[in-house]
Amino acid sequence: AQKVTQAQTEISVVEKEDVTLDCVYETRDTTYYLFWYKQPPSGELVFLIRRNSFDEQNEISGRYSWNFQKSTSSFNFTITASQVVDSAVYFCALSETHNTDKLIFGTGTRLQVFP
Amino acid sequence: DTEVTQTPKHLVMGMTNKKSLKCEQHMGHRAMYWYKQKAKKPPELMFVYSYEKLSINESVPSRFSPECPNSSLLNLHLHALQPEDSALYLCASSQEDWGHGYTFGSGTRLTVV
Repeated sequence: AQKVTQAQTEISVVEKEDVTLDCVYETRDTTYYLFWYKQPPSGELVFLIRRNSFDEQNEISGRYSWNFQKSTSSFNFTITASQVVDSAVYFCALSETHNTDKLIFGTGTRLQVFP
Repeated sequence: DTEVTQTPKHLVMGMTNKKSLKCEQHMGHRAMYWYKQKAKKPPELMFVYSYEKLSINESVPSRFSPECPNSSLLNLHLHALQPEDSALYLCASSQEDWGHGYTFGSGTRLTVV
C-alpha cells in the first residue's frame, strides 16, 4: 500500500543552522512522483520540488537541497543556513501512476527557526 | 496568472446555513481539487474534477456538494454541516501532464458553530 512517513513531528533550530527533514515512502508502482510542499501559517501550500522515480539526481536550489535514494525509499530535504522565514510545516507527498490525481501526504514536519 | 484564488478566506456558519466556497484558476489547468485539512494534520483529498467532470469522490458526506461550472471555476456547496467539519479547505489545480505539480490556493478557514 502507498504511504509517506515523516517521522519528525517537530524540529527546532537556531538561525544559520542546517536542518534535514526526512521522508520515507512506500509504493508498488515503478513510476511515481515525489513532492515537497511548504505550508506557512497563512495556510497556502507552496510547491517546492517534484522528482520523478527515474531521476535520482540530487537537486539544489539556493539554500534548499534534496536527496532522493530509491534504494532506501527516501526523499530527504535539507535547508542550509536556516532563516526565521523557513519556519513552517513541510509536507512530503507521493503521486502514483495508477492514481495520478491523488496526492498522498506525509503527516508533516513543523520546523521552527529561532533568531 | 499563476495563482489559485479562493474566496472567502474565512467563513463562520451555523449548522443550518447554506454557504459556498469558491475557487478560480486561469492557468488552463485541466484538473481541479478540493482538499480538507484539519489542524495539525495533512490535507485529505475530497473531490477531483478532470475536464469539468467529477472523477473522484473520496466518500465525502453529501452535505458537501462540489460543482465545476467551467474549466476555471470550482465551487463547494455546504449545507447542514457539523462542528467537526470545521477545517481549512484547500483548492488546487494541475496541468494535463501528470506530475507537473499541483498549485494550491491559500484556503478557506471554515468554522461551523
